Amino acid sequence: GAGVSQTPSNKVTEKGKYVELRCDPISGHTALYWYRQSLGQGPEFLIYFQGTGAADDSGLPNDRFFAVRPEGSVSTLKIQRTERGDSAVYLCASSLLGASTDTQYFGPGTRLTVL
Amino acid sequence: QQQVKQSPQSLIVQKGGISIINCAYENTAFDYFPWYQQFPGKGPALLIAIRPDVSEKKEGRFTISFNKSAKQFSLHIMDSQPGDSATYFCAASRSNDYKLSFGAGTTVTVRA
Repeated sequence: GAGVSQTPSNKVTEKGKYVELRCDPISGHTALYWYRQSLGQGPEFLIYFQGTGAADDSGLPNDRFFAVRPEGSVSTLKIQRTERGDSAVYLCASSLLGASTDTQYFGPGTRLTVL
Repeated sequence: QQQVKQSPQSLIVQKGGISIINCAYENTAFDYFPWYQQFPGKGPALLIAIRPDVSEKKEGRFTISFNKSAKQFSLHIMDSQPGDSATYFCAASRSNDYKLSFGAGTTVTVRA
């Protein structure tokens, strides 16, 4: 497929567990973003990668959240010791270069439910 | 805190009518204002975007109006169709930045 893909589409976990969410960006896109969308809200920025490096992780809510992009393509968002407040849709987006006016292409998201 | 305020939260319009969604911002450093459309179970998709050097941009049935002095911008959907039923988000970013600040969204329902 030509779009951004995310797996799994749904993840249900128990409070305190560890989860990994995966994002496959559009081929050739150097910029990758993670956003979190709570029910009835707009997406909120979490972290931005340019290539392999996290250029801006200022949106990560706390140190339980971590993301990697080791080869500059696929990215994994990792959440430790999950809490019920982490329940949300986690969206990944990619863009060609990362310029402010680049179109960000979003994946369908992973719906995370923490019981 | 939300940097972009969006209203209304939801609206219902008859087929063929006009849908109007409004957004306001405080940060005068914002200089790129995209609108995203999101269908249930899908990620947001760029609909139309504007820079503050123009007051209006039109693409098909979708028009953005921009008022720099009032720090407001709006989306007009002309001749609304049932297929336009979706949630619409306004957003903003700065020229030396890449992250988008989104409004809370407006759910539009077009009745046939």
